[in-house]
Amino acid sequence: EVQLVESGGGLVQPGGSLRLSCAASGFTFSSYWMSWVRQAPGKGLECVANIWQDGSEKYYVDSVKGRFTISRDNAKNSLYLQMNSLRAEDTAVYYCARDRGPQGYFDLWGRGTLVTVSS
Amino acid sequence: DIVMTQSPDSLAVSLGERATINCKSSQSVLYSSNNKDYLAWYQQKPGQPPELLIYWASTRESGVPDRFSGSGSGTDFTLTISSLQAEDVAVYYCQQYYSPPLTFGGGTKVEIK
Repeated sequence: EVQLVESGGGLVQPGGSLRLSCAASGFTFSSYWMSWVRQAPGKGLECVANIWQDGSEKYYVDSVKGRFTISRDNAKNSLYLQMNSLRAEDTAVYYCARDRGPQGYFDLWGRGTLVTVSS
Repeated sequence: DIVMTQSPDSLAVSLGERATINCKSSQSVLYSSNNKDYLAWYQQKPGQPPELLIYWASTRESGVPDRFSGSGSGTDFTLTISSLQAEDVAVYYCQQYYSPPLTFGGGTKVEIK
């Protein structure tokens, strides 16, 4: 089955860190750009980071630059998001999404993992 | 950054009637070299991730019912549901992929009248 499954979300204090993972299956992971898209509670969608097929190019939205790092392990069919210096405004459901890119539209989404930043 | 503005924020339509959602970009998303508009539409049902409906402004994703159609070019786009069904209750988002960062509209909530 073609799917993406996120994990690693949870409750973290402001200033803390969290690492999200996304396990891909059912397709050739190494052939696709991949992205992390987040959705704050009751709000819209925001693409926070994306990564080239071989990991050589990465892009970040300004609000997370210097704090978040996207990476991938094609041998493990996995995508990651290391989140440091977390703020309350980073509270959101984080979706892993397959990008029919480069830097294109998203044709496959995971179910998401909730990150809550609160003291 | 390209700002995507959707209207209306919400609309209520009777079953079987037409629903029309608008999306406007702050700059053109038409790439002149290939004459393609870098615009996609998604549907998000409550408690679920978004699903791709339309890309290149008017190309339906495989498996999407033909009551969904996309139109427009440049800066102004429309998603039309020709005959609203109960299962179409959702929030709809447009997204530009003309230039990074990839940006979404604020969403339009479609309900049954």
